Amino acid sequence: GAVVSQHPSWVICKSGTSVKIECRSLDFQATTMFWYRQFPKQSLMLMATSNEGSKATYEQGVEKDKFLINHASLTLSTLTVTSAHPEDSSFYICSARDLAATNEKLFFGSGTQLSVL
Amino acid sequence: DQQVKQNSPSLSVQEGRISILNCDYTNSMFDYFLWYKKYPAEGPTFLISISSIKDKNEDGRFTVFLNKSAKHLSLHIVPSQPGDSAVYFCAASDYGGATNKLIFGTGTLLAVQP
Repeated sequence: GAVVSQHPSWVICKSGTSVKIECRSLDFQATTMFWYRQFPKQSLMLMATSNEGSKATYEQGVEKDKFLINHASLTLSTLTVTSAHPEDSSFYICSARDLAATNEKLFFGSGTQLSVL
Repeated sequence: DQQVKQNSPSLSVQEGRISILNCDYTNSMFDYFLWYKKYPAEGPTFLISISSIKDKNEDGRFTVFLNKSAKHLSLHIVPSQPGDSAVYFCAASDYGGATNKLIFGTGTLLAVQP
């Protein structure tokens, strides 16, 4: 199936710094990518929908100024956690939609574990 | 408001037996349902899906059943294997709508004992 590459796979940072997470579709073009967040023992929660060439659509309760999303090309979306705080520590996962796939069209990256000290 | 619920946080099954994972949803607009398998510190991988026009879909050892009137779906794995041990998420989508963003359940940790 299609491959979605996400990195870094883990990052530790100091409170107040910004962290950028990249999500790449390696063998297909993705006009739409999704960013999820998962806290321990909880569900994956959709944060935002990233659209190539336009502004991202954020879910209710997600601060767009804190979680900056850029989808500048058909194969790359980035999520920047600005001025990270310990409560932002979580597992962040991206997914990309491959419209050409014959079966399931949504593919997930391997996730990024963010720990803010 | 949790629109997709998996009420069993964990399940333990003997190798070779059937594993049944359950999922309930509240939004009648959902028309497409998926099951994902997830290992720690990895992204989910797709297992099987079902459209609301069907009540059963089978793929090898995995079968998903959908009961629309009860707003309930289940994943059957038979025979269960130790390699099936993982967290299983069900997810729902208004696939026929303008967006197919997924709403996930809270997951069920399946442990298959050798």
